[in-house]
Amino acid sequence: QQQVKQSPQSLIVQKGGIPIINCAYENTAFDYFPWYQQFPGKGPALLIAIRPDVSEKKEGRFTISFNKSAKQFSLHIMDSQPGDSATYFCAASWTEGGGADGLTFGKGTHLIIQP
Amino acid sequence: ETGVTQSPTHLIKTRGQQVTLRCSSQSGHNTVSWYQQALGQGPQFIFQYYREEENGRGNFPPRFSGLQFPNYSSELNVNALELDDSALYLCASSSSVFRGKTQYFGPGTRLLVL
Repeated sequence: QQQVKQSPQSLIVQKGGIPIINCAYENTAFDYFPWYQQFPGKGPALLIAIRPDVSEKKEGRFTISFNKSAKQFSLHIMDSQPGDSATYFCAASWTEGGGADGLTFGKGTHLIIQP
Repeated sequence: ETGVTQSPTHLIKTRGQQVTLRCSSQSGHNTVSWYQQALGQGPQFIFQYYREEENGRGNFPPRFSGLQFPNYSSELNVNALELDDSALYLCASSSSVFRGKTQYFGPGTRLLVL
């Protein structure tokens, strides 16, 4: 299975709070897990990515936690701001025999940060 | 360094027609991937091009085809358009085809099929 399941579908958090978005995958061959942010009318923009050999990665206010045994990973946004309001997608990929590494995306989380 | 660009930004076609979408990859990137994003959904992988050849394909029928040119730019062609082909078509470029190298997305082309 190539599926990536993402939750919640939507999330409302007060400014300064820590929204958490969760993803689960089935294919143990996945070896690259990025998170993308998308604003209306724009293409997805890479936020942060992790590989399964580490359990946590931080870049600025964004943190990925990765649990290889549970096949789950999550995005935390510290000190959230109204400008973080967007749709967030988790994704995963693997290299098929050295060939293509197309991303499999979750269905997205619509995040609203209230002032 | 220029980012990924796509043209046109919007397009309206009727069922049964053919459409060509274009993508210029980010400077220094040699791999281009195409995705279809239906409204309210995550992008779905259509196919990837590397060294001017299709390098892998998602679950899309043969009427979705593509090209990559020597300057690494790419085209997505869709024949016999169906109403369900209405979506945002995204192009992403990366510097290598191996091991999940970072893919950078363009702004997309919004296709409406009537």
